[in-house]
Amino acid sequence: GIQVEQSPPDLILQEGANSTLRCNFSDSVNNLQWFHQNPWGQLINLFYIPSGTKQNGRLSATTVATERYSLLYISSSQTTDSGVYFCAVDPGANSKLTFGKGITLSVRP
Amino acid sequence: DADVTQTPRNRITKTGKRIMLECSQTKGHDRMYWYRQDPGLGLQLIYYSFDVKDINKGEISDGYSVSRQAQAKFSLSLESAIPNQTALYFCATSAQGRTGELFFGEGSRLTVL
Repeated sequence: GIQVEQSPPDLILQEGANSTLRCNFSDSVNNLQWFHQNPWGQLINLFYIPSGTKQNGRLSATTVATERYSLLYISSSQTTDSGVYFCAVDPGANSKLTFGKGITLSVRP
Repeated sequence: DADVTQTPRNRITKTGKRIMLECSQTKGHDRMYWYRQDPGLGLQLIYYSFDVKDINKGEISDGYSVSRQAQAKFSLSLESAIPNQTALYFCATSAQGRTGELFFGEGSRLTVL
């Protein structure tokens, strides 16, 4: 099956810093999503982005499908950004997603 | 109220017991999923259903069964729970079509002693 690798595995930031989280995948995809799991375990969908660039407030994401990677940018980080960020992909178009192992982000005040 | 609701939110049980985790949704989505999350790992797909008469195994279906009682309800059962099924379980839904964004419930934490 398709492989998903996220890097770095852990990231510690000072509040106000910017960061880039990376997701590499081993095959072409029709579906790529980024999720944030907060410290209470809740999973929130951040972006549906199989290709191109999207922005939502301080967060933006870019997927370069031809080169099989996606980037999640967090600008002016806040303590509420802490948690685990997952990238998930599907070679098909049915949301049967394969998840990466996640990137644990800690934002210090 | 949450669009995707899971019950129970927390459950402690003993080896060999039968456990059912229930999921209901008000999003009107056809597609429903059960995922399992273990510490330090991503989520793994257990079962998925694209409509009431469609049930499919995911990556890790052994030891689990599901029932799609209605469009809005999808239950996961552990017929005889074992300790390595201790995990956080998530139900999710998505709409049919290319914009298949996945929406998760709040999770059910299961501990098998």
